Amino acid sequence: GENVEQHPSTLSVQEGDSAVIKCTYSDSASNYFPWYKQELGKGPQLIIDIRSNVGEKKDQRIAVTLNKTAKHFSLHITETQPEDSAVYFCAASNEGRRALTFGSGTRLQVQP
Amino acid sequence: GAVVSQHPSRVICKSGTSVKIECRSLDFQATTMFWYRQFPKQSLMLMATSNEGSKATYEQGVEKDKFLINHASLTLSTLTVTSAHPEDSSFYICSAKQGAENEQFFGPGTRLTVL
Repeated sequence: GENVEQHPSTLSVQEGDSAVIKCTYSDSASNYFPWYKQELGKGPQLIIDIRSNVGEKKDQRIAVTLNKTAKHFSLHITETQPEDSAVYFCAASNEGRRALTFGSGTRLQVQP
Repeated sequence: GAVVSQHPSRVICKSGTSVKIECRSLDFQATTMFWYRQFPKQSLMLMATSNEGSKATYEQGVEKDKFLINHASLTLSTLTVTSAHPEDSSFYICSAKQGAENEQFFGPGTRLTVL
């Protein structure tokens, strides 16, 4: 089955700096890669996703890159703000296995 | 975006009792719903996948007789934790998707505490 690894487990940055979170996956059949933000006591919220036919996607301060050959994808947050502080999860799925396999999560803290 | 609700948001029960958690898609038809469990400071672990009108598919290690899942309509799935024990205390989260779409929409979660 699919295995998704995520690094780092914790990340502390100063407000205004950039944050990068990286994930690798094992199943070459995976073709959908979403990123979720989870605040304490709440369910995950989709912040951006990318499909395997695209190498990069951007939405304002958030961008995701995908390298299918190396089987890794990354989340980039620019101009971080204190409200970006949360736990971020990457995930992967494919047409055959529609359930998501999640990474272990990254706790991002943005220091004001 | 699509909205998924869960009820209750938190529940405390005594050991040995059963607890039912509801997951509803409010503005779309959820052909597939997923149930996840999340322990403190850990990731989401898939428990089961349910398709409307058919039996749920459980992940390895998840007891189907203990975690009963019913997906009787395109907008409602229920998870019943039978004979709950303290080790079942966790954050239970559902998600829903429509048809062949990849995107899943998550509910706000239900915190279960078994005394």
